[in-house]
Amino acid sequence: DGGITQSPKYLFRKEGQNVTLSCEQNLNHDAMYWYRQDPGQGLRLIYYSQIVNDFQKGDIAEGYSVSREKKESFPLTVTSAQKNPTAFYLCASSAHREGNQPQHFGDGTRLSIL
Amino acid sequence: DAKTTQPPSMDCAEGRAANLPCNHSTISGNEYVYWYRQIHSQGPQYIIHGLKNNETNEMASLIITEDRKSSTLILPHATLRDTAVYYCIVRVGSNAGNMLTFGGGTRLMVKP
Repeated sequence: DGGITQSPKYLFRKEGQNVTLSCEQNLNHDAMYWYRQDPGQGLRLIYYSQIVNDFQKGDIAEGYSVSREKKESFPLTVTSAQKNPTAFYLCASSAHREGNQPQHFGDGTRLSIL
Repeated sequence: DAKTTQPPSMDCAEGRAANLPCNHSTISGNEYVYWYRQIHSQGPQYIIHGLKNNETNEMASLIITEDRKSSTLILPHATLRDTAVYYCIVRVGSNAGNMLTFGGGTRLMVKP
């Protein structure tokens, strides 16, 4: 079945450690996104990519990095510079970088600090 | 993107229609109305979207008023699995960032 796969479902980070969250889609979508959701709150955009080898910062990019080497993959690295990384991380994709196509989401990765 | 207003919570009896309202009185002509829902600890699920005409798919119907200042999402026969937070989002289709802004949403509780 086509969809968006995020892994792992749960992740624990030690102080000073970088961790990478995986996001893969087999929908042949051009655009991909990373959001962060804190308890009881809405989504905030971290990074987005509208085409391979290009990505843009969202509202809260500090302490995060991404790459888009392949159309189907958009991994997110949470660096040690991100001082409050505990959150629910959601990856999304959409068919076109413009237009009214909806974004479709994965099931998320829950990151916690040890 | 235009701001939306939704009631914080609603109840619905199982098997009955759930009608979820959304006010977007400042919507502009090129903004679409999108509906998503989020079940606890899962990613948001896309439901339906529209510009000015009413829309229907296998999940729901979307009714947009003629002046486009409000809309209603209709789940025709609610089941217990429809219990979730429902988000109404208004967004320009070709927004450069193409990001979604989720407000507080409506927590729908479907009861047996």
